[in-house]
Amino acid sequence: AQSVTQLGSHVSVSEGALVLLRCNYSSSVPPYLFWYVQYPNQGLQLLLKYTSAATLVKGINGFEAEFKKSETSFHLTKPSAHMSDAAEYFCAVSVPVRDDKIIFGKGTRLHILP
Amino acid sequence: DAGVIQSPRHEVTEMGQEVTLRCKPISGHDYLFWYRQTMMRGLELLIYFNNNVPIDDSGMPEDRFSAKMPNASFSTLKIQPSEPRDSAVYFCASSRGTGGNQPQHFGDGTRLSIL
Repeated sequence: AQSVTQLGSHVSVSEGALVLLRCNYSSSVPPYLFWYVQYPNQGLQLLLKYTSAATLVKGINGFEAEFKKSETSFHLTKPSAHMSDAAEYFCAVSVPVRDDKIIFGKGTRLHILP
Repeated sequence: DAGVIQSPRHEVTEMGQEVTLRCKPISGHDYLFWYRQTMMRGLELLIYFNNNVPIDDSGMPEDRFSAKMPNASFSTLKIQPSEPRDSAVYFCASSRGTGGNQPQHFGDGTRLSIL
């Protein structure tokens, strides 16, 4: 069965610094991969998704993620953190054709230090 | 275009009471998902529907939980009787087409507290 593991339940970065949130997936077939963001008292919003086209995926708010099959990773990055990026981020996986549902990771809470 | 609408936003009730959570998906979306989020267990899929038909309810914790989708624009999640351990934020999400490929659009959730 497919799964995702997010490394670090909390990550703190200074404003203006690089954001790196780690996600590793497990899947027996090439998966679809997603990053969602959740702001306080809101539902999840899609940041970006990988569906087997370009391995470098650009999303909203300056975020991007790179699919690396050899490392089974899909890490999320942003060159320069803003205070407004403080939120919880979820990596998620599904299997094309086979699955109707998405499996979410445990989430990583991103703290931005002034 | 209106997003997924959930009601109520907050619910506080005493244990043993019946609780009904409501969801209106985005018009045209044929998949609807119910999730529960807690600090301890993270985001859990409870049940999902395709074209109003329940497809997978393996995440429903107990018989106290039930979900219905009488039409394409409305779904309910009911807990009867409620218990303090049911306290959580419950999210509804919808998508157009296969949920595994298409992004899911989430409502803002119902924060449920069982005293």
